[in-house]
This record gives sequence, C-alpha cells and structure tokens, in this order.
Amino acid sequence: GAGVSQSPRYKVAKRGQDVALRCDPISGHVSLFWYQQALGQGPEFLTYFQNEAQLDKSGLPSDRFFAERPEGSVSTLKIQRTQQEDSAVYLCASSFQTRAIHYGYTFGSGTRLTVV
Amino acid sequence: DQQVKQNSPSLSVQEGRISILNCDYTNSMFDYFLWYKKYPAEGPTFLISISSIKDKNEDGRFTVFLNKSAKHLSLHIVPSQPGDSAVYFCAAIDYGGSQGNLIFGKGTKLSVKP
Repeated sequence: GAGVSQSPRYKVAKRGQDVALRCDPISGHVSLFWYQQALGQGPEFLTYFQNEAQLDKSGLPSDRFFAERPEGSVSTLKIQRTQQEDSAVYLCASSFQTRAIHYGYTFGSGTRLTVV
Repeated sequence: DQQVKQNSPSLSVQEGRISILNCDYTNSMFDYFLWYKKYPAEGPTFLISISSIKDKNEDGRFTVFLNKSAKHLSLHIVPSQPGDSAVYFCAAIDYGGSQGNLIFGKGTKLSVKP
C-alpha cells in the first residue's frame, strides 16, 4: 500500500482483556518497529523486526506484551491481560533500509488503546 | 532518565516569522538526529535529519543546526506558516548501541498564528 496501515484505529478494552493490534507496513519494507506513546510523551521503542526476525524486544514493558511478524510483512502486537497503564497510542513504523538514515522511518497513524 | 529533552512544551509564533525549536541530548554516542512533525490523530511524519559529523542541514524552509560540544540541536522554520502548526519531535539514534530505534523527546507544540 501507499503507507503504513494500522488497525484498529481505536480500541477500548476492559481490564484483563487480551488485545491484538495489526500493522501493515509498506510493501517491501525490511525494518519494522513498534512504539508506545503515552499521553503527553514522545513515542517509546518497544520492539524491532528485520524481515521476520525479531532482533530487539528490549522495550517491551512486560511479558504480557508479545509481537510477531511471521512472514516478514504484517506484524501483530498482542497485549495479554491489559492493565490501565497500557492505555496509549501504539505506533508502527517501517523502512526499506535496515538502518534508516536519510529518510527516517514511515509511521502509521497508530492505534489508540484505552483500557477501562 | 530522558536522553533526549525538549524543554519547551509549546511555542507560539506569528506567521512569517522564524520558529526555533530546541532539543538537548545527554548521550554522546548518538550519531544521527531526526525531526518529526505530528498532526493530531496522525502518525509522526519525517521532516529533516542531520548526521553527527555535520553542523547544519537545510531543506527548503527547514534548517537543523547541531552543536555537538553543547549536545544541542535546533530546528529553524523560516518563514513560519499556519500549516506548520503541529507537535514537533526531536529524535536520536545510537547505531552502535541499538538496532536503529529512535529515542524521542516529549515534543514541542508549535502554533503559528495568522
């Protein structure tokens, strides 16, 4: 597609519910990142994929967070047993380079998760 | 502890004037810096970047200045336009210590008044 597509745009979950957030990167993009943006903060790194390999998951806040990209294109971020502190906008970014230098990364519009 | 700091949460500028957005960082290993612009309900959009080996990069109305000794960079927008009103994020990359993930500041909300 023309851009990075994320779905759903908005998700309201009851505390304790599991959620799955989807990211469709730009076709052919090698690198894929997930970020979490809390209200009033900048985006914070969660995890990084190079094709289907998850090379860095150091930013995942707990073992309730899990991400996958099984075929090197679409990625899913799953949050189990959601807590109120998980409420945030989850952003996906991709790049055709393994290290995006001159053009940065292309971000999707994000999924706003609200845990009630 | 925040490695990238944008100490001004907001900035208001008159149309046609210069907007200067500031960013400080603490990690001397950062080797690339980027500015992103974000409108409400949209993802951040890449604006301009600068390598740590340079002190200035210009693209149209946007210029980024880097002062490595002060660990400070700034984004200049000249002339400012109402459509520039958005939140601006400064971000840095330490390629040697990461996979290239961005470390963001908290952002500065720019309002350009007609």
